[in-house]
Amino acid sequence: LAKTTQPISMDSYEGQEVNITCSHNNIATNDYITWYQQFPSQGPRFIIQGYKTKVTNEVASLFIPADRKSSTLSLPRVSLSDTAVYYCLVGRSGSARQLTFGSGTQLTVLP
Amino acid sequence: ETGVTQSPTHLIKTRGQQVTLRCSSQSGHNTVSWYQQALGQGPQFIFQYYREEENGRGNFPPRFSGLQFPNYSSELNVNALELDDSALYLCASSLTGGPGNTIYFGEGSWLTVV
Repeated sequence: LAKTTQPISMDSYEGQEVNITCSHNNIATNDYITWYQQFPSQGPRFIIQGYKTKVTNEVASLFIPADRKSSTLSLPRVSLSDTAVYYCLVGRSGSARQLTFGSGTQLTVLP
Repeated sequence: ETGVTQSPTHLIKTRGQQVTLRCSSQSGHNTVSWYQQALGQGPQFIFQYYREEENGRGNFPPRFSGLQFPNYSSELNVNALELDDSALYLCASSLTGGPGNTIYFGEGSWLTVV
């Protein structure tokens, strides 16, 4: 199973763009990269998923370089409500047994 | 809303007792997985069910068992509860073999063992 490495914590200010980078050196050919957001006492919430290059949705962008050994979650203009733990996971899409959660990145947005 | 519902939301059990947690998967999803999340840690994979059979298991003892029903809902059973079983138990559903097979989580069941 591919292992991921993320910063333990990050601080930002309201209105700024936040980029969280995840390393996954052993990613397999069939693996997708998925990011989840989790608030205290709630289940993880799907943010975005990608395989290569760039993916964008209404809440975030995901940048994946050609070698796929890392990925960067970009959150535009964060607000206080974006304070949460962000998890980067790699594995075959739809197969929970292939997903391993790390410790995640605690993002704190300051006023 | 993910469409994944879990019950109960909170419960307290005594060491040695047994507990059953329930999960209804998102409509159209045929795969259910369970996770245990201790305070301050990331979720840990317990097992996954597909077509009513377990098809993947994490590093959890046999006293953690489960079921999946024909309507794809699922139960997690834990026997002989220990204090360390106190955690948030998360259910997730997905569609194996289908397009856009993202995994969606429920809000979890908080179990406290005293």
